[in-house]
Amino acid sequence: DTGVSQNPRHKITKRGQNVTFRCDPISEHNRLYWYRQTLGQGPEFLTYFQNEAQLEKSRLLSDRFSAERPKGSFSTLEIQRTEQGDSAMYLCASSFTTQGPLHFGNGTRLTVT
Amino acid sequence: TQLLEQSPQFLSIQEGENLTVYCNSSSVFSSLQWYRQEPGEGPVLLVTVVTGGEVKKLKRLTFQFGDARKDSSLHITAAQPGDTGLYLCAGGETSGSRLTFGEGTQLTVNP
Repeated sequence: DTGVSQNPRHKITKRGQNVTFRCDPISEHNRLYWYRQTLGQGPEFLTYFQNEAQLEKSRLLSDRFSAERPKGSFSTLEIQRTEQGDSAMYLCASSFTTQGPLHFGNGTRLTVT
Repeated sequence: TQLLEQSPQFLSIQEGENLTVYCNSSSVFSSLQWYRQEPGEGPVLLVTVVTGGEVKKLKRLTFQFGDARKDSSLHITAAQPGDTGLYLCAGGETSGSRLTFGEGTQLTVNP
């Protein structure tokens, strides 16, 4: 069990640029989640995959955000035309069972200047 | 959307003191999880409670799930500087698809 891996750990980008983050979950976990966390706040749910199927998306996930999990393994989260309000920590988590404990990665911290 | 409110938002205490953190909601959750998060890292699960009235102990930490499954508490006995961190409660919805997190309690234990 190597844990959930997220890359990059930090990303600084200029407003209007596109960014893509990657998440590699624990290998036997078929559920994968993306959350966003701002400083001093709890994580906010963005989206959830079961295998390759994206089953739920939050209203927070505007049309500038897209997530994929093409083969049911790793996942990518892309933000197009970034805005300063997108600056946050983007956390990926995986789990083995419904309502099972979430195993989080250490996140990607995005700063939009 | 189900909401979880945590209190207090910030807590600064001296080593050796006891403390309680509360997590409240007007909604019923099928399960309640507590996580601890350190700066620059993702949250790490401490405990899951699923039964109304359930009490779980983890060394100096005691977790309780309310009878109605709408609230929970975390009690730490004889706090240590290593307990410093952001404590998050998270409720599992009956649909089972997501966890809803509270805003967290930032605990600082001073030596």
